[in-house]
Amino acid sequence: QKEVEQNSGPLSVPEGAIASLNCTYSDRGSQSFFWYRQYSGKSPELIMFIYSNGDKEDGRFTAQLNKASQYVSLLIRDSQPSDSATYLCAVPGGNQFYFGTGTSLTVIP
Amino acid sequence: NAGVTQTPKFRILKIGQSMTLQCTQDMNHNYMYWYRQDPGMGLKLIYYSVGAGITDKGEVPNGYNVSRSTTEDFPLRLELAAPSQTSVYFCASSYGGDEQFFGPGTRLTVL
Repeated sequence: QKEVEQNSGPLSVPEGAIASLNCTYSDRGSQSFFWYRQYSGKSPELIMFIYSNGDKEDGRFTAQLNKASQYVSLLIRDSQPSDSATYLCAVPGGNQFYFGTGTSLTVIP
Repeated sequence: NAGVTQTPKFRILKIGQSMTLQCTQDMNHNYMYWYRQDPGMGLKLIYYSVGAGITDKGEVPNGYNVSRSTTEDFPLRLELAAPSQTSVYFCASSYGGDEQFFGPGTRLTVL
């Protein structure tokens, strides 16, 4: 059973700050990692994925992967109130995706 | 391109009733999934399918059944509904094991 763990939060940051969300995973052989955002009452939507060690940037979002330490993080720069949501980390395994329980982020204006 | 569609959006069932949650995707994805999400919790996989005619159990399959007769459709059947099945149900699809696209969800209450 693969495990994906996230700090459930809630995490609160002021508008304009950097929000840092972390995820650890149990399967050392995992190759790809996905971050989903879920607004309250809505379905999850993909915001980033990362395959290689190091950083991947997309606009205000940066995913960081450290396979040796088995963690992946998501940084949100210049946080906006519209970033307030739950962020889910997901790791594929076999024919399934394994999701963390999500971290709730609130950006305070 | 509608993506993944689910019906109904909301449903209230009485204990012991049965119903089918519908899921359709128009992206020609081979993989389809059913998840449930309880309040404040993550997604738990109920069943998944890697192609028409092929289904397999996920983490929480008890009380549910699925079928996959076409690439597009993946209905989820609840038999003898119980209060423990009160949840939000999400259908998702993907091409291979890549990014999953989610439907809007079905909010089910069993009273």
